[in-house]
Amino acid sequence: GAVVSQHPSRVICKSGTSVKIECRSLDFQATTMFWYRQFPKQSLMLMATSNEGSKATYEQGVEKDKFLINHASLTLSTLTVTSAHPEDSSFYICSATMDRNTEAFFGQGTRLTVV
Amino acid sequence: DQQVKQNSPSLSVQEGRISILNCDYTNSMFDYFLWYKKYPAEGPTFLISISSIKDKNEDGRFTVFLNKSAKHLSLHIVPSQPGDSAVYFCAAASGGSNYKLTFGKGTLLTVNP
Repeated sequence: GAVVSQHPSRVICKSGTSVKIECRSLDFQATTMFWYRQFPKQSLMLMATSNEGSKATYEQGVEKDKFLINHASLTLSTLTVTSAHPEDSSFYICSATMDRNTEAFFGQGTRLTVV
Repeated sequence: DQQVKQNSPSLSVQEGRISILNCDYTNSMFDYFLWYKKYPAEGPTFLISISSIKDKNEDGRFTVFLNKSAKHLSLHIVPSQPGDSAVYFCAAASGGSNYKLTFGKGTLLTVNP
């Protein structure tokens, strides 16, 4: 299947700093990328949907100024957690799809720990 | 409000037996359902899907059954193998594709040799 690469896989940062997570589709052009967050023993929760070249659409309750999403090209989307706090510690995962009618492929996920 | 529910956090079965993972949903707009398998520290990988126009879809050892009236679906794995041990997520979408998924909490399946 298609490959989606997410980097870094783990990151520890200090409270108040910002962290950038990259999501790349390696062998296809992803018109849409999704960002999810998973807290322990909870389901993957959709944070936002980003389409190449346009602003991301955030789900209710997700602060767009805190979770900055950039989808500058058809193969790269980034999620920046700004002014991270310990409660932002979570597993963040992206998925990418060519279009509505094709399967979305997931990255490996990023374990963020804010200390 | 959990729109996709996997009420069993874990399931343990013996190798060679059948594993049945269950999933319930509340949103009647969902018309496309998927099962994903996830190993620790990896992203979910797609297993099998079913459209609401069907009640069964089979792929090798994996079969998904959909009961629309009960808003219930299940994943059957037979025969179960130790390598099947993972967390299984049920996911649902509307619009007939896997665009914008709503996930359940997952069920940890352990297949004992």
